[in-house]
Amino acid sequence: DIQLTQSPSSLSASVGDRVTITCRASQSISSYLNWYQQKSGKAPRLLIYAASSLQSGVPSRFSGSGSGTDFTLTISSLQPEDFATYYCHQSYYSPPPTFGGGTKVEIK
Amino acid sequence: EVQLVESGGGLVQPGGSLRLSCVASGFTFSSYVMSWVRQAPGKGLEWVSGFSGSGSGTYYADSVKGRFSISRDNSKNTLYLQMNNVRAEDTAMYYCAKDFSVAGPPTLFDYWGQGTLVTVSS
Repeated sequence: DIQLTQSPSSLSASVGDRVTITCRASQSISSYLNWYQQKSGKAPRLLIYAASSLQSGVPSRFSGSGSGTDFTLTISSLQPEDFATYYCHQSYYSPPPTFGGGTKVEIK
Repeated sequence: EVQLVESGGGLVQPGGSLRLSCVASGFTFSSYVMSWVRQAPGKGLEWVSGFSGSGSGTYYADSVKGRFSISRDNSKNTLYLQMNNVRAEDTAMYYCAKDFSVAGPPTLFDYWGQGTLVTVSS
């Protein structure tokens, strides 16, 4: 199975900060990397698919980049509603599709 | 509007059985791959099982293979997960998820239900 390693596992940031989360795959997954946001007690929400495509309805302050084994999710200016846990997910080698361990973004 | 509503969770003893349901609306249910994804308390996401939209393929995580069975009733727009011989480590919130794809294995989960909680304990 493909292992996805996210870093950091948690971070503290202030409103307006630029935030970057990385996801590294154990082998190349081309651009088959997706990002989800999960707020406390809620279901995950798709933010970015195919490494850099913004899901409909997602604010443009979210962006994704990368290919192969190294990927990045960037929030250009952190907003209060962005405090959540973020997961990367690969579907290049499926089944099973696998998720990273998550990055919790907290208020500084 | 796409909606996925799970039900059937609850407390079950180790070795017992439970059947989860997911009723879908707002899209052509029969056309899409559907999956179950779980999340143990305080932990990350784990894909459990998927069912191809073409109706010909079912897929399972190794951790549940031989114990869980996924099925769908397209006439009722409903996805099921039959959980047998459950273990303490199956305790989790179980989410139903719609896939972007119509065939093949699960790829991209574009809509999620709110989940149903399964607790395995004596």
